[in-house]
Amino acid sequence: EDQVTQSPEALRLQEGESSSLNCSYTVSGLRGLFWYRQDPGKGPEFLFTLYSAGEEKEKERLKATLTKKESFLHITAPKPEDSATYLCAVQAGGGATNKLIFGTGTLLAVQP
Amino acid sequence: DAMVIQNPRYQVTQFGKPVTLSCSQTLNHNVMYWYQQKSSQAPKLLFHYYDKDFNNEADTPDNFQSRRPNTSFCFLDIRSPGLGDAAMYLCAPQNTEAFFGQGTRLTVV
Repeated sequence: EDQVTQSPEALRLQEGESSSLNCSYTVSGLRGLFWYRQDPGKGPEFLFTLYSAGEEKEKERLKATLTKKESFLHITAPKPEDSATYLCAVQAGGGATNKLIFGTGTLLAVQP
Repeated sequence: DAMVIQNPRYQVTQFGKPVTLSCSQTLNHNVMYWYQQKSSQAPKLLFHYYDKDFNNEADTPDNFQSRRPNTSFCFLDIRSPGLGDAAMYLCAPQNTEAFFGQGTRLTVV
């Protein structure tokens, strides 16, 4: 069964304290791994899609990496405005339509 | 400009009273997903469309129905909302990337 696990469930950082969020997955035939940011009461905001092991993408203080079994979202020198829930999702299989399977997210709090 | 618009943002309905949520997109993506997200949980897929072909998830209750008159618009109908249906409902047109709308927060009283 396809599965996505995110850790930690919650993370509290001081402003400027870099860290990483983990997303491990077990799927048959990965088509893509997605990272989203979600603020309370809002829909997920798209951050990155990674397609193959070794791929990396960056956006401001965020950098996403992918291996064959997991992905990391590295946050460098976070600011309080980076506080949110970060969701990881995988798209698997070979069909024409491939649903996103989500992890339960990491709640990040960055304190000033 | 918003590419995916969901209306309303907030909906309060009475127990058992039918309700319709809408989603519109300017991306022209053939695939449209509807997710249900309860508090502090991951989004859960209810069903999806490929063009007008409707694909229900096996564990989606019959209480949830959907219509897609064209690529731009899609509707989620909840025929008899129960207290357990209170959640955020998210639509996401998808191509190589999946962009979500801001969601509709449904409250059942």
